[in-house]
Amino acid sequence: GENVEQHPSTLSVQEGDSAVIKCTYSDSASNYFPWYKQELGKRPQLIIDIRSNVGEKKDQRIAVTLNKTAKHFSLHITETQPEDSAVYFCAATFNSGYSTLTFGKGTMLLVSP
Amino acid sequence: GAVVSQHPSRVICKSGTSVKIECRSLDFQATTMFWYRQFPKQSLMLMATSNEGSKATYEQGVEKDKFLINHASLTLSTLTVTSAHPEDSSFYICSARTGEVTQYFGPGTRLLVL
Repeated sequence: GENVEQHPSTLSVQEGDSAVIKCTYSDSASNYFPWYKQELGKRPQLIIDIRSNVGEKKDQRIAVTLNKTAKHFSLHITETQPEDSAVYFCAATFNSGYSTLTFGKGTMLLVSP
Repeated sequence: GAVVSQHPSRVICKSGTSVKIECRSLDFQATTMFWYRQFPKQSLMLMATSNEGSKATYEQGVEKDKFLINHASLTLSTLTVTSAHPEDSSFYICSARTGEVTQYFGPGTRLLVL
């Protein structure tokens, strides 16, 4: 089955800095890679996703890059703000009617004012 | 769009009792719903996948007789924790999706078994 590794487990940055979270996956058939943000005690919320037919996707301060050859994808947050503080999870799956998401272990991002 | 609700948000029960958690897709029909368990400071662990009108598919190590899942309609799935014990205390989260791969999560249910 799929295995997703996520690094780092914690990341502390100053407000305004950039943050990068990296994930690797094992199954070359995986073709859908979402990123979720989870604040303490709340639901995971989809913040951005990418499919294997593109190498990069951007949405305002958030971007995701995908390297299919190396089987890794990364989340980039620019101009970080204190409200970006949360746990971020990457996931991978093969898009089919029976597909399930395999999650990374999560990265706790702390943005200090 | 794509709103998923869960009820109750928090429940405390005595050891040996059963607890039912409901998951509803409010503005779309969910062909598939998923149940996850999340322990403090850990990732989401998939427990089971349920499709409307069919039996749930459980992940390895999850007891199907203990965690009963019913997906009676395209907008409702229930998880019943039977004979709950303190080690079942956790944050239970459901998610739902349409025919697309994107999953939308409910707000979670925090279960505490005394």
